[in-house]
Amino acid sequence: AQSVTQLDSQVPVFEEAPVELRCNYSSSVSVYLFWYVQYPNQGLQLLLKYLSGSTLVKSINGFEAEFNKSQTSFHLRKPSVHISDTAEYFCAVNPRRNDYKLSFGAGTTVTVRA
Amino acid sequence: DVKVTQSSRYLVKRTGEKVFLECVQDMDHENMFWYRQDPGLGLRLIYFSYDVKMKEKGDIPEGYSVSREKKERFSLILESASTNQTSMYLCASSRLNTGELFFGEGSRLTVL
Repeated sequence: AQSVTQLDSQVPVFEEAPVELRCNYSSSVSVYLFWYVQYPNQGLQLLLKYLSGSTLVKSINGFEAEFNKSQTSFHLRKPSVHISDTAEYFCAVNPRRNDYKLSFGAGTTVTVRA
Repeated sequence: DVKVTQSSRYLVKRTGEKVFLECVQDMDHENMFWYRQDPGLGLRLIYFSYDVKMKEKGDIPEGYSVSREKKERFSLILESASTNQTSMYLCASSRLNTGELFFGEGSRLTVL
């Protein structure tokens, strides 16, 4: 079984400031890692994913996350946020070769202020 | 684009009523899922299906059942709604062995 811990439930940040959302996981097997974003009144959308290869993965809108196997972490960062990044962000873990056991963290609400 | 469509965005039901939540996906995905989303708890898996007429319990199946008669459609059923089932319900689908889920916009259910 695996579990996902998002260390911050709320992150207020000013526009153009950097943001980091922390995610740690525990699993007895190798995993796929995901970050999903949920804008107000919408479903979840995939932001970025780590399946294999380079441990640094990037999204098209400036977010990046780094898989750290030794620390079992997959933190999400953006060097300069916009008002439109206000949303809830979910880290998720899926054990390899088992599609059905995707586990989500409790979510981190990012509020960007001008 | 992958599209997952949930039939109702908002529903209000009374305690004891039977509730159907419908979900349709248009990308021929093998896997379909029903999650429940509550503040501070993230998403919790209710049921999933990896093929037509196949279903497996997730982490919180009590009080729910599901039906998958066609590959594109996955229904969640609350046989007798209770107030503690007031929540946001999210349907998702995925292709086998990718681990990547595509979500619908959610159905917010209020049980009075």
